[in-house]
Amino acid sequence: GENVEQHPSTLSVQEGDSAVIKCTYSDSASNYFPWYKQELGKRPQLIIDIRSNVGEKKDQRIAVTLNKTAKHFSLHITETQPEDSAVYFCAASWGDKLTFGTGTRLTIIP
Amino acid sequence: NAGVTQTPKFQVLKTGQSMTLQCAQDMNHEYMSWYRQDPGMGLRLIHYSVGAGITDQGEVPNGYNVSRSTTEDFPLRLLSAAPSQTSVYFCASSSSTEGSSYEQYFGPGTRLTVT
Repeated sequence: GENVEQHPSTLSVQEGDSAVIKCTYSDSASNYFPWYKQELGKRPQLIIDIRSNVGEKKDQRIAVTLNKTAKHFSLHITETQPEDSAVYFCAASWGDKLTFGTGTRLTIIP
Repeated sequence: NAGVTQTPKFQVLKTGQSMTLQCAQDMNHEYMSWYRQDPGMGLRLIHYSVGAGITDQGEVPNGYNVSRSTTEDFPLRLLSAAPSQTSVYFCASSSSTEGSSYEQYFGPGTRLTVT
């Protein structure tokens, strides 16, 4: 089955700086790569996703890049703000089942 | 439109007790799933269903049963609770099919403690 590795497990950045979280996946058949944000005590919520026919996708301060050859995908958050502090999960799937990474706890330092 | 709902929000069980975690969605999604979330381990798939009457095992199914009699409901049963089942449980649904992936919508979670 699919295996997703996520790094780093914790990340602290100064407010206004950029944050990058990286994931690798094992199944070359995977074609859908979402990112979820989970605030403390809340449910995971989708923030951005990318499909395998696209190399990069942006939504305001958030971007995701995908390298199918290397089986890597990354989340980039620019101009970080205090409300970006949360746990971020990457995931990969082909079809219905998602396999999640182990999460990155992002802390924005004011 | 309530989305995905779960009950109860919190539950404390003694070892050996059984209980059912309820999950319902009103988005007419065929795909529903149960995850458990433990510190440092992300979200691990317990069981999933691709439609009424169809269920299958995920990554960590032992100690849990599911059934899907309607599109809306997908209850998770703990047969004989163990301390290792202390976790936060999330139900999710999506319009994903075997060949196409879409956003999964999560319920608010159930925090379960087994003593």
